[in-house]
Amino acid sequence: AQKITQTQPGMFVQEKEAVTLDCTYDTSDPSYGLFWYKQPSSGEMIFLIYQGSYDQQNATEGRYSLNFQKARKSANLVISASQLGDSAMYFCAMREGEGAQKLVFGQGTRLTINP
Amino acid sequence: DVKVTQSSRYLVKRTGEKVFLECVQDMDHENMFWYRQDPGLGLRLIYFSYDVKMKEKGDIPEGYSVSREKKERFSLILESASTNQTSMYLCASRSGSTDTQYFGPGTRLTVL
Repeated sequence: AQKITQTQPGMFVQEKEAVTLDCTYDTSDPSYGLFWYKQPSSGEMIFLIYQGSYDQQNATEGRYSLNFQKARKSANLVISASQLGDSAMYFCAMREGEGAQKLVFGQGTRLTINP
Repeated sequence: DVKVTQSSRYLVKRTGEKVFLECVQDMDHENMFWYRQDPGLGLRLIYFSYDVKMKEKGDIPEGYSVSREKKERFSLILESASTNQTSMYLCASRSGSTDTQYFGPGTRLTVL
């Protein structure tokens, strides 16, 4: 079974609009961490934001926020005021279990920002 | 800022060659990782290391080996490259006290 599901293979958004990228996860472990990474066409994976399973508040980093709905096992990324430079692949990932070394990645969503 | 560097951005090798991919991090991180990324398959973990000379297999270790002789350097070795190892290879590192993995720029390897 897929541990991380990103249901949107591609999204097109107008510049300056907010965008939500969906991510659902599957785990029975009470301790886990959720991540979002951005991968531009250059190839490097850029860390954006992290949410721990025990964190009470939704994580925020500048224009990025993570809409964490634990009961629904959802961890959507919200980008406010999108910019042309936000065009990239976006990956949701999960670390499962305390001290676990492995990250499990979703298939990614290709976001295109239109001027 | 965390800096993870990889020895090559692009590499072209022939079938049967021995290939070394090098990764260096400058943040004194204990943990280092090698992933490969393929269209439709996402990122898959090949090997990781949690200390010098220590290594653990990931999900797809077949055809690969690794070496970690120094804390800052983690090498991925393809003993005899094959065409199905054509892929994007991404190295990452993580400190022992945080969850976040930081990635290098990636190496696009083509095996002819």
